[in-house]
Amino acid sequence: GAGVSQSPSNKVTEKGKDVELRCDPISGHTALYWYRQSLGQGLEFLIYFQGNSAPDKSGLPSDRFSAERTGGSVSTLTIQRTQQEDSAVYLCASSLQASGTDTQYFGPGTRLTVL
Amino acid sequence: KQEVTQIPAALSVPEGENLVLNCSFTDSAIYNLQWFRQDPGKGLTSLLLIQSSQREQTSGRLNASLDKSSGRSTLYIAASQPGDSATYLCAVRPFGNEKLTFGTGTRLTIIP
Repeated sequence: GAGVSQSPSNKVTEKGKDVELRCDPISGHTALYWYRQSLGQGLEFLIYFQGNSAPDKSGLPSDRFSAERTGGSVSTLTIQRTQQEDSAVYLCASSLQASGTDTQYFGPGTRLTVL
Repeated sequence: KQEVTQIPAALSVPEGENLVLNCSFTDSAIYNLQWFRQDPGKGLTSLLLIQSSQREQTSGRLNASLDKSSGRSTLYIAASQPGDSATYLCAVRPFGNEKLTFGTGTRLTIIP
């Protein structure tokens, strides 16, 4: 079946612009996660959604970052007023449900470059 | 705060050799530990997931062990192949939340 998909695969933007990154999880997966992978920082958690519960936003680095998940499926990560330090690969993952036994399946990521 | 360390950062071995990758974590109160591989420009692929109550998991040529009390996990790869070349990441999940904490990875190169 189809895996987690993300779009765009690459995004180049100018400092100060807003960007939107999209994630389509595996059909039927109720849990969705966003991570960021940058040089020097490794892979860090940003936010996760579980069903209709309020999302855990504790990993978002600043209030310029926000995420939505519409209809319990597709998610959009928005970065406002981008800064050069936002340059990274943004990875999305989904799992059947947010339980300790479920594997997270990752998408290919969106490489964001802020000039 | 949980910290996850992987040593070495890079490893090169000849094809056919068996090898071990190491992962250590500072807080032993984990729910599970997962090993992933990441190919250049690609996302992560889950290899093995070990629950905190388990000691090891096996899949094909891969065997992962977990010693929670000492904060260590190993990934054993038997009869290595060039296709095993990738970056290997371990990640731990704590009790009570869903956030994975990742190690910085080991970049493995298998030399034909």
